Amino acid sequence: GAVVSQHPSWVICKSGTSVKIECRSLDFQATTMFWYRQFPKQSLMLMATSNEGSKATYEQGVEKDKFLINHASLTLSTLTVTSAHPEDSSFYICSARDPSAPQETQYFGPGTRLLVL
Amino acid sequence: DAKTTQPNSMESNEEEPVHLPCNHSTISGTDYIHWYRQLPSQGPEYVIHGLTSNVNNRMASLAIAEDRKSSTLILHRATLRDAAVYYCIRNTGNQFYFGTGTSLTVIP
Repeated sequence: GAVVSQHPSWVICKSGTSVKIECRSLDFQATTMFWYRQFPKQSLMLMATSNEGSKATYEQGVEKDKFLINHASLTLSTLTVTSAHPEDSSFYICSARDPSAPQETQYFGPGTRLLVL
Repeated sequence: DAKTTQPNSMESNEEEPVHLPCNHSTISGTDYIHWYRQLPSQGPEYVIHGLTSNVNNRMASLAIAEDRKSSTLILHRATLRDAAVYYCIRNTGNQFYFGTGTSLTVIP
């Protein structure tokens, strides 16, 4: 199947700083990528849909000024957590839609674990 | 997704079939049902998907109720490597809304 990578795999930062997470589709071009957040022992929650060359669409309750998404190329989307606080500590997972795959199949990255001290 | 509910956990003996249920009573007529599974500290992995008809692939089978308000993922012979959290997903447009997930334990 298609491969999606994330970088970094884990990050620790101080409260008030910003953190950037990269999501790359390695062997296909993804016009649409997605960002999810997962707290311990919970399900994945969709944060936003990232469309190449246009503004991201955020789910209800997700602050767009806090979670900045940029999808500047067909293989790269970035999520920046601005002014991070301890409650932002979570597992952030991206996915990418392969246009050649059937029925909106998404390929997920390995996730980035963020710890804000 | 509060509208997509699954049992919190299930157990199966190795090499026995496993039926993982999912309720999605408010699903619309054009929403696909996807199933993914997730190992600890990893991203979800595709298992199977369908719309109305039952589906089979090398990993599993998906049985969808006639009214589409529920579905069942069937692993025909559970192995230790099948131990994971299984998510039933409502696919609306191009968005995925994850169900509550079922943690499957496979007993040797």
